[in-house]
Parts: sequence; structure tokens; C-alpha cells
Amino acid sequence: SQQGEEDPQALSIQEGENATMNCSYKTSINNLQWYRQNSGRGLVHLILIRSNEREKHSGRLRVTLDTSKKSSSLLITASRAADTASYFCATVKNYGGSQGNLIFGKGTKLSVKP
Amino acid sequence: DAGVIQSPRHEVTEMGQEVTLRCKPISGHNSLFWYRQTMMRGLELLIYFNNNVPIDDSGMPEDRFSAKMPNASFSTLKIQPSEPRDSAVYFCASSLGPGQGAFTEAFFGQGTRLTVV
Repeated sequence: SQQGEEDPQALSIQEGENATMNCSYKTSINNLQWYRQNSGRGLVHLILIRSNEREKHSGRLRVTLDTSKKSSSLLITASRAADTASYFCATVKNYGGSQGNLIFGKGTKLSVKP
Repeated sequence: DAGVIQSPRHEVTEMGQEVTLRCKPISGHNSLFWYRQTMMRGLELLIYFNNNVPIDDSGMPEDRFSAKMPNASFSTLKIQPSEPRDSAVYFCASSLGPGQGAFTEAFFGQGTRLTVV
């Protein structure tokens, strides 16, 4: 089963608008990561937020994390047509000790119209 | 570094044939993941290696699937015999970690698009 679940599944906006995507997860995490996937390509890491952080910025990206609600959001400000892609959150599944792996949600498909 | 390298990029095979997908992780990375992506099921983790040892293979669909990592610079995912429902894009990813109990970012290959007819 997938650890992260993104919402909405699809989002269509106009260039210049802000895009907000949400992610909910089920178990305790050490960190949560957001990735982007352009059509037909591999995933590319965007940003990582640790469980002791509440907000993080990187360029036009803003990520928040609420561990009490087990949720995160990704905000893309002043969107561009080139932001059109699928966005995934990923969490670490812990096995105890220092081992784990990355579990992805099904993603949000963002379409930015020029 | 050239990044994570997967081969082949595309594979079309007939049902019942053996398929081998290959992955070269980024040098120095000690974690390697194989994922399968379909429209219906999204991105599924198949198997995770740490220091060449399989840690979690609970996502491997069935005995027809097997994965190996004979050394730190090479991994294979084999399907034998292949079936049409195995058609998907298979991704390999590598990462530095875990460190302090968690991973940093994972780097993905371009994927292998497998079509079983």
C-alpha cells in the first residue's frame, strides 16, 4: 500500500496563478520529499522537509509539514507552463534502526495553461 | 557522474519470454530501488537494496520477478516468464543513505518502458 496520498489527483490552472497540492500519510516519518515527473521521464527531487521542520522554501516552491495531521502541502507560486508535470510526495518506511525505503503516492497531475 | 543509467530504454517482448532490465546506480550511492509505474497503480516499490543486500522485496509481484545486485555498481530485474500485465515503465533509483535513520534525495533513471505482447 502507498504511504503518501496526494490531493487533488489533477489540477488545471492559468499561468501566473498559484498551485497547491496536498499529501497525507499514515505512519511516523523522518522526512517527506516532493518529486516532479515530466511526461515520459524519471522523477526529479524537488525538496525535502524533515519531521522537525514546519516550512521550507526553494525558489518558487514552498512546502509545509504538519506532523500532527500527517499532512504536507506543496505550493508553487506564479506558475509557468513549464511547471506542467506530475508531482509526487514520498515518505520513508521505517524498519527500525537505520534502514528504510521510499514510498510514493499516486501523484497530482498539474496542467498550467499559457 | 552520468546519473542513474538504465537499459534498455524500450523493450518489446512476447508473452512467455524472459526479460532482463539493467541499472547502474550513481557511484557511491549505497541504496538502490526498483519501481514499476502504471496508470492504474501509480509508482509501486518492487524492491529495495542497501549495501547490495535486498532489504525489502515485499513489493515483488510474484515468483516470476527476481532482482539481484551482485556489486555496488550494477543491478538487474528479471521477469521470467513475462506476461502482458507486466507492461509498465520500470524505474531504478539510487540514494545516499540511510543516514541518521532516513534518506536524502533519490536519483531516478530514465526508465525502461516494457511492452509484453
